[in-house]
Amino acid sequence: NAGVTQTPKFQVLKTGQSMTLQCAQDMNHEYMSWYRQDPGMGLRLIHYSVGAGITDQGEVPNGYNVSRSTTEDFPLRLLSAAPSQTSVYFCASSSLSGETQYFGPGTRLLVL
Amino acid sequence: EDKVVQSPLSLVVHEGDTVTLNCSYEVTNFRSLLWYKQEKKAPTFLFMLTSSGIEKKSGRLSSILDKKELFSILNITATQTGDSAVYLCALPTSGTYKYIFGTGTRLKVLA
Repeated sequence: NAGVTQTPKFQVLKTGQSMTLQCAQDMNHEYMSWYRQDPGMGLRLIHYSVGAGITDQGEVPNGYNVSRSTTEDFPLRLLSAAPSQTSVYFCASSSLSGETQYFGPGTRLLVL
Repeated sequence: EDKVVQSPLSLVVHEGDTVTLNCSYEVTNFRSLLWYKQEKKAPTFLFMLTSSGIEKKSGRLSSILDKKELFSILNITATQTGDSAVYLCALPTSGTYKYIFGTGTRLKVLA
């Protein structure tokens, strides 16, 4: 099993550009989520999903969109990148009955 | 508002020392408390605690949850340089499936 995979590993964007961060898992987990991690801020939940077709907002959803068309994939879209979105983004998944989240390797995003 | 606070924010010790990391929470409904270790990349799971007063152990690491006083501690004995990392605690809230993370404790172990 590959676990949770994320692409790209690193991305540089200009202000106003859009892009999609990809996340996939092969563990058949119902629950998937996106976090951003900034220095001194810990992990903050952006969006999450409890199954295909079901998404909900987390703590810091503004400027981000998600969709969940399949169990495996949970892409995160930045509609119009801003320097405040410079961060490291982690995708995670777990079963609904389990507690432990499995994290992807992260995407480092720099918005100029 | 649900909140998780970890202390200290950072800690520098020498190999062989014992450290205690604290996670205090103000979360009204939660299923469990989780501890993660984060080195340079993604967090990796250490412990899941669901019951108050029952210690979980894994080698030199141990953890306990106090639901009355609303905190958990993570102990690391005989620290090694490989223990250098950020240690995160998190609580998955009941009903919403939202995980609330603390800001983490950065531990540096000097040889």
